[in-house]
Amino acid sequence: EVQLVESGGGLVQPGRSLRLSCAASGFTFDDYAMHWVRQAPGKGLEWVSGINWNSGSIGQADSVKGRFTISRDNAKNSLYLQMNSLRAEDTALYYCAKVGSSGRGFDDWGQGTLVTVSS
Amino acid sequence: DIQMTQSPSTLSASVGDRVTITCRASQSISSWLAWYQQKPGKAPKLLIYKASSLESGVPSRFSGSGSGTEFTLTISSLQPDDFTTYYCQQYHSYPWTFGQGTKVEIK
Repeated sequence: EVQLVESGGGLVQPGRSLRLSCAASGFTFDDYAMHWVRQAPGKGLEWVSGINWNSGSIGQADSVKGRFTISRDNAKNSLYLQMNSLRAEDTALYYCAKVGSSGRGFDDWGQGTLVTVSS
Repeated sequence: DIQMTQSPSTLSASVGDRVTITCRASQSISSWLAWYQQKPGKAPKLLIYKASSLESGVPSRFSGSGSGTEFTLTISSLQPDDFTTYYCQQYHSYPWTFGQGTKVEIK
């Protein structure tokens, strides 16, 4: 069974940093691209960033470019999101999501970790 | 960047109704489109991928169609469990983008 478990969220002041982690199990982690998707309270889904299996291809939303960095450690079956210069508008539930095989979209999701940016 | 426009934002329907949600892309995305269902407090669930392929385990009352810039999600006969929110998403090119969502409500 695929499991994606996010951690690292919390309350942080504007301008500070936070690092999210996603621990993966139940599948061969380094066979799949992984992404972060967020959802502000009461709002829709927003794609944040994605990374392919070997970190050779990375994409980011314009809203986080230059502030957030996605990375992965295949030896540890883990995905990360380093978030710097946090803003109030970054407040959201952050999901880790796995890209499925055969051209699927996100076929597995974690439960999310909440990031609240406030003074 | 590719913009995804979903319509309607809200849809009121009854159990047994056939409903259709539309998603338009600002440029061609071929068939690189997915549909998700999200229930309150839960992570999204993949329903349809590559515009028209039904994800394993998803009831056959869900179907997707379209290519290029115009796509639809159809629920052939609404069930009580289907009253929730649906999102389209393009994964043709970075940055990947979601539609703003469609909430299906009970009439």
